[in-house]
Amino acid sequence: DTGVSQDPRHKITKRGQNVTFRCDPISEHNRLYWYRQTLGQGPEFLTYFQNEAQLEKSRLLSDRFSAERPKGSFSTLEIQRTEQGDSAMYLCASSLAGQKNTEAFFGQGTRLTVV
Amino acid sequence: GEDVEQSLFLSVREGDSSVINCTYTDSSSTYLYWYKQEPGAGLQLLTYIFSNMDMKQDQRLTVLLNKKDKHLSLRIADTQTGDSAIYFCAESISFKTIFGAGTRLFVKA
Repeated sequence: DTGVSQDPRHKITKRGQNVTFRCDPISEHNRLYWYRQTLGQGPEFLTYFQNEAQLEKSRLLSDRFSAERPKGSFSTLEIQRTEQGDSAMYLCASSLAGQKNTEAFFGQGTRLTVV
Repeated sequence: GEDVEQSLFLSVREGDSSVINCTYTDSSSTYLYWYKQEPGAGLQLLTYIFSNMDMKQDQRLTVLLNKKDKHLSLRIADTQTGDSAIYFCAESISFKTIFGAGTRLFVKA
């Protein structure tokens, strides 16, 4: 397995446009997380899924943000009507939880720049 | 509340030891982590310690945990220029991981 992969690696968009990012977790991992990292800060939790169920959303996740994990495998994060403040690195992570637990493995992130 | 604090910068000479310190607030943490992030790269898990341990050693890395003071440290022995990066302290609380702002380590040759 090649680890957690995210696509695209970089995205530049105009303010007001919609963007969608994709995350492919490690194949047997049932948990998937989205984090946001702004310059000079550590990652901040946005949301997580257990299989296809979205179990928790941070207050950071405004109603312009929506995340899905329709089949319990890959996930998408969509930002509607982007604002300059949305510029950040969006990190995806996955882990296994249950009888055997693993730590979270992070992807390389999608860097979003809103101009 | 959930908060992780760490100093922003550390500069050491090549071959010296580096010690990066971190304090956290939530005593219910189960695991505490140290992640490394190099420019343009994702987060790499360096090491972790379970909350009922005091110390963990892994090659050049030593993690010390003082649960009473909620203080975590990472010591890197024989620091190399390749160790230059940002180091994040993090605690796991239930399903999520809370990160500090990161300590930027500069290694001078």
